Amino acid sequence: AQSVTQPDIHITVSEGASLELRCNYSYGATPYLFWYVQSPGQGLQLLLKYFSGDTLVQGIKGFEAEFKRSQSSFNLRKPSVHWSDAAEYFCAVGGGQNFVFGPGTRLSVLP
Amino acid sequence: DVKVTQSSRYLVKRTGEKVFLECVQDMDHENMFWYRQDPGLGLRLIYFSYDVKMKEKGDIPEGYSVSREKKERFSLILESASTNQTSMYLCASSYRGYTEAFFGQGTRLTVV
Repeated sequence: AQSVTQPDIHITVSEGASLELRCNYSYGATPYLFWYVQSPGQGLQLLLKYFSGDTLVQGIKGFEAEFKRSQSSFNLRKPSVHWSDAAEYFCAVGGGQNFVFGPGTRLSVLP
Repeated sequence: DVKVTQSSRYLVKRTGEKVFLECVQDMDHENMFWYRQDPGLGLRLIYFSYDVKMKEKGDIPEGYSVSREKKERFSLILESASTNQTSMYLCASSYRGYTEAFFGQGTRLTVV
C-alpha cells in the first residue's frame, strides 16, 4: 500500500535559518513525488516535483528537494527561511489519478 | 496560467439542506478530485472523476455524491448536510498521465 509520512507535525525556525522538512514514502513502483505548500485558508500550491533524472530538484520560492531511493525519502530544504514561508507543507506520492498525501508539517517562522 | 476555480470561498448552511460545491478547471484535464481537509487528518479523498459522467469513490464517500456532466466542471453534492460535514473542501484536477494535481482555493463550509 502507498503511504507518506511526515514525521514532524510542527516546526519552528528563526527567519534566515535553514530549513529541512522530512518526507518518507512507501510505494510499489518508481515514485512520482511532490511537495505542496498551503497558506492559511488557501488551496495547495505545487512547490516542486520529481519524476525522474537528477535526484536534486529545484522548485519555486527558493525550495529544493532531494530524492533518496535507498532511504525512501524526499526531504524539502531551503537555505534561508523568510517570514512569508510560514505555512503548511504537504509531501505527496503518485500522480495522475492517484495521489497519496502526507499529514502535513506546519512551519512557523520567528522574527 | 492554470486555473481551478471553486465557486465559493465560504459557505454557511443549515442542517438538512442540500449543498452544491462547484469546481471548474480551464486546463482540459481528464481527472478531477474532491478532497476534504480537517485538522490532524490531512487530505482525504471523497470522490474522483476520470472522464465525463465517470466517477470513483474515494476514502470517505458517505454522505456525498458528485456530478460531472462537462469535462471542465465537477460538482460535489451534500444531499442532507450535517454538522460533521463542516470542513474545508478542496477541488483538484490533473492530466490523465502521471502528472501533478492543481488545486482550487478551497471552500470553507460550515453547517449549523
